[in-house]
Amino acid sequence: SQKIEQNSEALNIQEGKTATLTCNYTNYSPAYLQWYRQDPGRGPVFLLLIRENEKEKRKERLKVTFDTTLKQSLFHITASQPADSATYLCALDMFTGRRALTFGSGTRLQVQP
Amino acid sequence: NAGVTQTPKFRVLKTGQSMTLLCAQDMNHEYMYWYRQDPGMGLRLIHYSVGEGTTAKGEVPDGYNVSRLKKQNFLLGLESAAPSQTSVYFCASMRALQETQYFGPGTRLLVL
Repeated sequence: SQKIEQNSEALNIQEGKTATLTCNYTNYSPAYLQWYRQDPGRGPVFLLLIRENEKEKRKERLKVTFDTTLKQSLFHITASQPADSATYLCALDMFTGRRALTFGSGTRLQVQP
Repeated sequence: NAGVTQTPKFRVLKTGQSMTLLCAQDMNHEYMYWYRQDPGMGLRLIHYSVGEGTTAKGEVPDGYNVSRLKKQNFLLGLESAAPSQTSVYFCASMRALQETQYFGPGTRLLVL
C-alpha cells in the first residue's frame, strides 16, 4: 500500500542553523510532492511544490529536493528563526481524478533562540 | 476574501447524535475536500468533490456523508456519531488544473 514516512520525533535546532526534514515514500510514482506548514490549532498552509522532473526548488530561505530514485524529499530551512517553529507536512498527489493529497504525519520543528 | 471557512469551530456530541459540518470557500474553486487529522497520523481523506453536485469517497468514508449542492459549500454529515469520530476535521479547496490546496481552520469534534 502507499505509505509516506516523516520523522515523528521533534527536531530541535538552534536559531541560525539549517533545519533539514525528511520525507520518504513507498509504492508511489508521484507527479509532484508538496510541503505544508501547520501551526497549532490551524490548518496546513502550502509552502512549496516540486515536480518529478525537478531536482531542487527554492523559495527565500526554503529549499526542497526530490530524489525519485531514492523516493525521498528533503526540506531545508536555512538561517532558521524561532518563528519557523511548526509542524511540517509532506504530501503527495498521484494525479488521479480526485486530485487529493496523501499526507505524512508531519515533523515538528522547534527552533531555540 | 475570507478563503476557506468552517463552522463550527468546536463541538461536543454524545454517541448517537447527528451533526453537520459546514465548509465554505469564496475562491470559486472546483475541488473541495474533507480530511480528518488524528494524533500521530497524517491527514486522511474522508470525501471529496470535483464539482457542484458531485461527491466521491476517500480513504475513510464510513460513518460520514457529504453534499455539494452549491459550488462554494461542502457539507460533512455524521448521522450517528461514535467516539471513534473524535478528531479535528479540515476542509480544503483547490482550483482545477492547479495543485495547491487551501485549508480551513478546522473543526474540533469530541464525541462522548
